This record gives sequence, structure tokens and C-alpha cells, in this order.
Amino acid sequence: DAKTTQPPSMDCAEGRAANLPCNHSTISGNEYVYWYRQIHSQGPQYIIHGLKNNETNEMASLIITEDRKSSTLILPHATLRDTAVYYCIVRPRMFGNEKLTFGTGTRLTIIP
Amino acid sequence: DAGVIQSPRHEVTEMGQEVTLRCKPISGHNSLFWYRQTMMRGLELLIYFNNNVPIDDSGMPEDRFSAKMPNASFSTLKIQPSEPRDSAVYFCASSSGTGVSYNEQFFGPGTRLTVL
Repeated sequence: DAKTTQPPSMDCAEGRAANLPCNHSTISGNEYVYWYRQIHSQGPQYIIHGLKNNETNEMASLIITEDRKSSTLILPHATLRDTAVYYCIVRPRMFGNEKLTFGTGTRLTIIP
Repeated sequence: DAGVIQSPRHEVTEMGQEVTLRCKPISGHNSLFWYRQTMMRGLELLIYFNNNVPIDDSGMPEDRFSAKMPNASFSTLKIQPSEPRDSAVYFCASSSGTGVSYNEQFFGPGTRLTVL
């Protein structure tokens, strides 16, 4: 799986958009970008994934650069409950490659 | 759906004892994963099953660890004998999908294991 690089920590004011960057310069053509988060003492939670087009769901938006070497997860209106560690993971989406390889992630703190 | 169910939620045992962690995946999911999380090593995959068959057990630390999935609704992770360095939070996750496409993983609440 391609390696990802994320800032170790970020702060964001409550109600503002939180923009979490991820670099994956060695990503292969068949690899997707996945985002998970882990709220303290809970299991990781899936947020969103994408291949090359921007994606949006009820939780967040995912912006992937045209060369696919980096991406940004956007939480449009951050709340205190969004305080968590956010993991960016790159992997193929195919049988036999289902495992998730978690890095150290970004610890996002939402400030009241 | 109740989500992925793990038991026990907390386990405290003494070194040398056998420990069995249990997991019930989401109904209809055909892939099941066991992860371990520690401060030193972060979140790491131990083993995963597809249609009850182990696919990748390269993350299992050593022979003291074993995992089984006797049917689609139940899996166990056993440590025998346990050691203090096995202290960690163990997560079970499940997902659905076949062939070239599969969906996101849903994680359980975890079992916090302490080996004294």
C-alpha cells in the first residue's frame, strides 16, 4: 500500500470548516484514498473514500488533486464531537487487499 | 442492526492464563478482521477472514495467538499463554462485498485486555 503523510495534530474552531491534508505521492492507479476517524476509546469509524473525483457524503467532503498525490478531508461545520484522530489510508479496492494499514493520523481538536 | 459486538469489553488476567476474545460481525457481512491497538505500535491488523476462511494472518504475532471463525456470525481470538506485552485494545471489524468490490469496515467497541 502507498505510504501516507499527515500532520500529527491540528486545531479548528467550532463551527468552522476543518481541512485535513494528506500526502500520498506514491499512490498507484488502482489505489483508493480512504478516511477513517477514531474518537477517544471507540473503534475507528469510516468517513469517506474516493479514487480521483471529489466525493461528498453526509459526514464530509474529499478533495483529491488532479495528479492524485494528495487529498484533503473537509468537515464543513466542525463540532466538538468531531474531536478525534483522523486516518488517511491508501489501498487497492479488491479482494485479497481488504486490510487497512493505519498510520499515526492527525489528532484534530475542535476548540469551543 | 446492533453493529459489531465484542465481548468481553474489559479483561484483566494474569500472565500465563488463556484469554479468549469474542466477536459477532454485522449480519450479512462476509469479511471479518481482528486489529490490535497499543500506544507503541498503533492500530495493526492481526488476521482477517473472508467467508469464514482466513485470508491473511501475517500480522499474528506468534504461535500464542490463534483465531477461528466457525461460522458467519462468530469469531474468536485466543491468546495462550498470555503475557504482559499482550496488553492492548483488540478491535473486531466486519465488511461486506465480493470479488473486486467491497465496502467499508465497521468496527466494534473493542476489548481492553490487561495482562498482569
